[in-house]
Amino acid sequence: AQSVAQPEDQVNVAEGNPLTVKCTYSVSGNPYLFWYVQYPNRGLQFLLKYITGDNLVKGSYGFEAEFNKSQTSFHLKKPSALVSDSALYFCAVREGAGGYNKLIFGAGTRLAVHP
Amino acid sequence: DGGITQSPKYLFRKEGQNVTLSCEQNLNHDAMYWYRQDPGQGLRLIYYSQIVNDFQKGDIAEGYSVSREKKESFPLTVTSAQKNPTAFYLCASSIRDSLGLMNTEAFFGQGTRLTVV
Repeated sequence: AQSVAQPEDQVNVAEGNPLTVKCTYSVSGNPYLFWYVQYPNRGLQFLLKYITGDNLVKGSYGFEAEFNKSQTSFHLKKPSALVSDSALYFCAVREGAGGYNKLIFGAGTRLAVHP
Repeated sequence: DGGITQSPKYLFRKEGQNVTLSCEQNLNHDAMYWYRQDPGQGLRLIYYSQIVNDFQKGDIAEGYSVSREKKESFPLTVTSAQKNPTAFYLCASSIRDSLGLMNTEAFFGQGTRLTVV
């Protein structure tokens, strides 16, 4: 079965500093990886995805993610954090076959950006 | 505006009652999903449906039931058999890729917070 792991429950960073939220994956075959963000009491918003091609994927709100096959990682990054980036971040992987597929989520990482 | 609408936003259930959470989408998506979110556990899949009149159990289907009579609608019933139903429930939809490609992201509703009283 496919899975993703987010090793950090919380990440703290000062506003203006770069941020990284970590994700590692375990898949058989080609990985289809996603990042989502959740603000309090809201649904999840799609940030970006990796399918094939460039290892650096750019997404919404200035976020990007780096796919590293040798380290089986898909870390989310942003060059300069904003206080408004404070939220819960989820890494996810697609699993399934034959047109029946689903998203498997990590446990989430809470990002706190301090002024 | 296209999107997914979940209702109600807050729901209170008495012990032994069945309750139904609504999920409607106007994105013309074939696939729909129900997830449960508990603190520190991320999202767990309850049920999913790839096409009308068809659905599959997810990882934690016990105590829940669904129907998919219309493409736009995927209601979730939390039955009295679900012993710990207090949680945040999220509905999502996506394009169903009949070729089996899995490069499609899911779009989420705003969630329903269910509390047992």
